[in-house]
Amino acid sequence: KQEVTQIPAALSVPEGENLVLNCSFTDSAIYNLQWFRQDPGKGLTSLLLIQSSQREQTSGRLNASLDKSSGRSTLYIAASQPGDSATYLCAPDYNQGGKLIFGQGTELSVKP
Amino acid sequence: GAGVSQSPRYKVAKRGQDVALRCDPISGHVSLFWYQQALGQGPEFLTYFQNEAQLDKSGLPSDRFFAERPEGSVSTLKIQRTQQEDSAVYLCASSLVAGVISWGQFFGPGTRLTVL
Repeated sequence: KQEVTQIPAALSVPEGENLVLNCSFTDSAIYNLQWFRQDPGKGLTSLLLIQSSQREQTSGRLNASLDKSSGRSTLYIAASQPGDSATYLCAPDYNQGGKLIFGQGTELSVKP
Repeated sequence: GAGVSQSPRYKVAKRGQDVALRCDPISGHVSLFWYQQALGQGPEFLTYFQNEAQLDKSGLPSDRFFAERPEGSVSTLKIQRTQQEDSAVYLCASSLVAGVISWGQFFGPGTRLTVL
C-alpha cells in the first residue's frame, strides 16, 4: 500500500529560524512530488513540484529536495516568518498525472 | 477565471438529503479530481476525470456518491441520502498534463459539508 508519512506532525518555532519538514513515502516509483500549504479553512496552495528526474526545486525562501531511491523529500524554509504558519502537505504522484496520495501534514506555527 | 472555483463554499444538510457540489476547473485543464478531507487529516482521493471520461472512481466511499463532468469542463459531485459521516471538506483540483509530464494539481477553496 502506498503511504505517506510526515514528521513532525506539529512544529512551533520562533520567527527567523530555518526549519526542515520531512516527508517519506513507501513506494519509490513516483512521477513527481508536490508540496502544498493549507491555511485554516482554506484549500491547498501549491508551493513546489519536483519531477522524478529532479533532485530539488527552489522558490524564494523555500527549497524542496527529493531522494526518490530512499523515498524521502524535505521542505526547507529559510528565515521563517509568522505568515508561514500553516499546515504543509506533501503528495507524491504515482500515476503520471492521476491521483495524489497525501500525508497528514505538518502544522507549523511561527511565533513573532 | 484564474483559479479553480467551487460552490457552494458551505453547505448544511439534514441527514437523508441529497446535495450537489460544483467545481469549475482552470480553463484548459484536462484533468479534474475530487478529494475528501476530514478534520485534521490529509485529503483522500475520491474520483478523477480526463475530459468527460471518469477514469478512476476507486475512492468513492459508497454508491451514494456520484460524480459527472458531461462536457469536460464543470464537474458536479452528488451525494445522495447524506449521512453524518459524509461531513467533511470536499476539494476539487485540476491539472494540465502534456505528454508524460504532469504540471501538478491546483486546488479550489473547497466546500465544507455539514450533515446534521
